[in-house]
Amino acid sequence: AQSVSQHNHHVILSEAASLELGCNYSYGGTVNLFWYVQYPGQHLQLLLKYFSGDPLVKGIKGFEAEFIKSKFSFNLRKPSVQWSDTAEYFCAVNAGNAGNMLTFGGGTRLMVKP
Amino acid sequence: DTAVSQTPKYLVTQMGNDKSIKCEQNLGHDTMYWYKQDSKKFLKIMFSYNNKELIINETVPNRFSPKSPDKAHLNLHINSLELGDSAVYFCASSQDVAAGGTKQQFFGPGTRLTVL
Repeated sequence: AQSVSQHNHHVILSEAASLELGCNYSYGGTVNLFWYVQYPGQHLQLLLKYFSGDPLVKGIKGFEAEFIKSKFSFNLRKPSVQWSDTAEYFCAVNAGNAGNMLTFGGGTRLMVKP
Repeated sequence: DTAVSQTPKYLVTQMGNDKSIKCEQNLGHDTMYWYKQDSKKFLKIMFSYNNKELIINETVPNRFSPKSPDKAHLNLHINSLELGDSAVYFCASSQDVAAGGTKQQFFGPGTRLTVL
């Protein structure tokens, strides 16, 4: 069964700092990759997704992620964070399984200090 | 307009009770899902359902059952609630996956269930 690992459980940054959140998955076949964000008290929202093509994908709010197949990674980046980016970030993988079900990582809680 | 809605937003109940959480989507999607988010924020798929197929995560106890009165609704019914069922439950929907491929999922606001 596939699994998804997010190694950074908690990240604290100051505004304007650069962000990189790690995501690794274990599945040898074709995968579809997602990053979701959950702002405090809110539901999950899609930040960006990778299905195929250019491995560097750009999402909303200045976020981007790079799919590196050889490393089984899909790290999320943002060059300059804002206080409003404080949230929980989830990496998710669909490995072409039946039912289109997503396997989520454990999440990374980002706190941006003003 | 809310694309995926859930009711109630909060549910507090006693052990042993039976309860349901409702989910509705107005996106015209054919496939709906239930996820459980535990106290450590870990999200886990419970079910994927369209009008052709129900796929159940094998770790889900059979006290949990999805019920779909129509294409726009997928309710989660839980029998004999246990303390460990306390969590936030998220509903999601996507376009039909029966034809193959991956479809983006849209999530509801969640229902926080507390079992006393």
